[in-house]
Amino acid sequence: AQSVTQPDIHITVSEGASLELRCNYSYGATPYLFWYVQSPGQGLQLLLKYFSGDTLVQGIKGFEAEFKRSQSSFNLRKPSVHWSDAAEYFCAVVAGSGAGSYQLTFGKGTKLSVIP
Amino acid sequence: EPEVTQTPSHQVTQMGQEVILRCVPISNHLYFYWYRQILGQKVEFLVSFYNNEISEKSEIFDDQFSVERPDGSNFTLKIRSTKLEDSAMYFCASNPRDTQYFGPGTRLTVL
Repeated sequence: AQSVTQPDIHITVSEGASLELRCNYSYGATPYLFWYVQSPGQGLQLLLKYFSGDTLVQGIKGFEAEFKRSQSSFNLRKPSVHWSDAAEYFCAVVAGSGAGSYQLTFGKGTKLSVIP
Repeated sequence: EPEVTQTPSHQVTQMGQEVILRCVPISNHLYFYWYRQILGQKVEFLVSFYNNEISEKSEIFDDQFSVERPDGSNFTLKIRSTKLEDSAMYFCASNPRDTQYFGPGTRLTVL
């Protein structure tokens, strides 16, 4: 069965510093991978996704992620963090099966705190 | 930009009562989903719905749960007899094919 591991529960960075959030997946086939962000009390907003092709994908808000098949990883990065990036970040993989259902399997999330 | 909407934003109910959570998916989307997130835990898949029927469901989605698309726009999740452990944030999502867009969620509190 597919699974997603986000090894860091909580990360604190200074504003302006670079950021990397780790994500490892377990999935037998070629994965569809996503990063979502959840601000306090809010829903899930899609940051970026990877389906195929270029392994470095760009997303909204200056985020990018790199798919590395050999490491089963899809780490999220941002070169310079802003205070408004403080939120919880979820990595997810599509566990699609028959009938075109594309249900997501989520990691447990990484909470990002930003120090001014 | 079209959005998934959900009502109510917060629902408080007594244990054993029925609740209906409502969602309006994005209009041209074909697949609909419900997920839940218990406080402090990860988001978990409940059920997917396509072509007016359930296409996949998780082990969480037992006989106490049901989904319906009563008209061309709404998508509902019913919990027949709520338990304390049903307290969670419930998210609706929809997608045209392979990228899901989530609503803001309904926080369900069972007392």
